[in-house]
Amino acid sequence: QSALTQPASVSGSLGQSITISCTGTSSGVGGYDYVSWYQQHPGRAPKLIIYDVSNRPSGVPDRFSGSKSGNTASLTVSGIQAEDEADYYCSSFTSSSTPLVFGGGTKLTVL
Amino acid sequence: EVQLVDSGGGLVQPGRSLRLSCTASGFTLGDTSMNWVRQAPGRGLEWLGFIRSKTFGGTTEYAASVKGRFTISRDDSRGIAYLQMNSLKSEDTAVYYCARGGFDYWPNYFDYWGQGTLVTVSS
Repeated sequence: QSALTQPASVSGSLGQSITISCTGTSSGVGGYDYVSWYQQHPGRAPKLIIYDVSNRPSGVPDRFSGSKSGNTASLTVSGIQAEDEADYYCSSFTSSSTPLVFGGGTKLTVL
Repeated sequence: EVQLVDSGGGLVQPGRSLRLSCTASGFTLGDTSMNWVRQAPGRGLEWLGFIRSKTFGGTTEYAASVKGRFTISRDDSRGIAYLQMNSLKSEDTAVYYCARGGFDYWPNYFDYWGQGTLVTVSS
């Protein structure tokens, strides 16, 4: 069982918006602004798309955005494209014995 | 161009050891922290540990699940980070990635990743 909870799957039609949640605890997501999101296509290495809750690395389309409320972080993809179909993972720093934890991953299907 | 190349994976028997390498180019390895992350077949990502830059003492932190069995080190002069894995178990079978840390003192985000190297633990 992962330390961060994500839905196993989400889906949306081309052009729609979707949101993926990532729920942790007050010693992790809720206590620090160190939440990141990664996109992973099959057979490929993960790619950073959001860091420090809501910052986008250079080159990441602005349709990807991140936010946080309490112990839950969210990734929103506005106007999803076919190439956005992938697995998405959140991660967070925590003050527990394991200082960095990932969510279990969410498969985004573009209909 | 920043690039990380993972190597050293393969088939290993249970109980044996294996050392993975992560060769960096396009940036100065010594200026950053380096992390190791693995992904078992069909499963999610698991952070294993990281090593701080020399600026922050080159010290390490590990996930509770591998602490005492896995050791991360670095040779900044050669631009290589290592993951030493001892007493391997079948459940260590996974693709192992190195990843550059975007923040040095604590593991936070990982802005560049290696391509991964597959470790299979089986008799």
